[in-house]
Amino acid sequence: QVQLVQSGPEVKKPGASVKVSCKTSGYTFIDYYMHWVRQVPGQGLEWMGWINPNSGGTKYAQNFQGRVTMTRDTSVSTAYMELSSLTSGDKAVYYCARAGERRGSPGDYWGQGSLVTVSS
Amino acid sequence: SYELTQPPSVSVSPGQTARITCSGDALPKKYVYWYQQKSGQAPVRVIYEDSKRPSGIPERFSGSSSGTKATLTISGAQVEDEADYYCYSTDNIGSFGGGTKLTVL
Repeated sequence: QVQLVQSGPEVKKPGASVKVSCKTSGYTFIDYYMHWVRQVPGQGLEWMGWINPNSGGTKYAQNFQGRVTMTRDTSVSTAYMELSSLTSGDKAVYYCARAGERRGSPGDYWGQGSLVTVSS
Repeated sequence: SYELTQPPSVSVSPGQTARITCSGDALPKKYVYWYQQKSGQAPVRVIYEDSKRPSGIPERFSGSSSGTKATLTISGAQVEDEADYYCYSTDNIGSFGGGTKLTVL
């Protein structure tokens, strides 16, 4: 069965970076784009971008351009999302989600979410 | 990306039909997707490509899209359908609507 297992909660200081991992199993990793979505506590879903695990190509939301880097390691079927220059506004749950039938949208398989807290 | 607008809240009694709308200028040319999110849980896709239902999603969930408006319809809403619902579309850059809190009581 398809599984996406994300890394645990993180506490970071303002200005630092955080790297969240999303380890996949149950399917061929390079066959599906991976999306990243975040949710600030009490707010809605925010699309961050996607990575093509086959080529490593990426597309980022304008709000995160210059601060987000999505990468992957095909040898361990894992996608990563790194966010830099953290502020208190980046406190959120970050989700990875495998693309569905069309690469441009999150599909039926999501990670459990990773809580990132930013605090001095 | 572009803006998708949803009503903040919709309320129905159990067994009634709930309709949640999503408006956006680019919707006539783009597919709409709908996600359900219950408190403390990851989102679940309930509709894709405007009107298709993923395996395991109850038949009471349906979707439609016409012009600049897409609609998620829950026919005979159940108490367990109470959740936040988000529409999503993409023009290579993805965008979620602001979300609609559905209350069923």
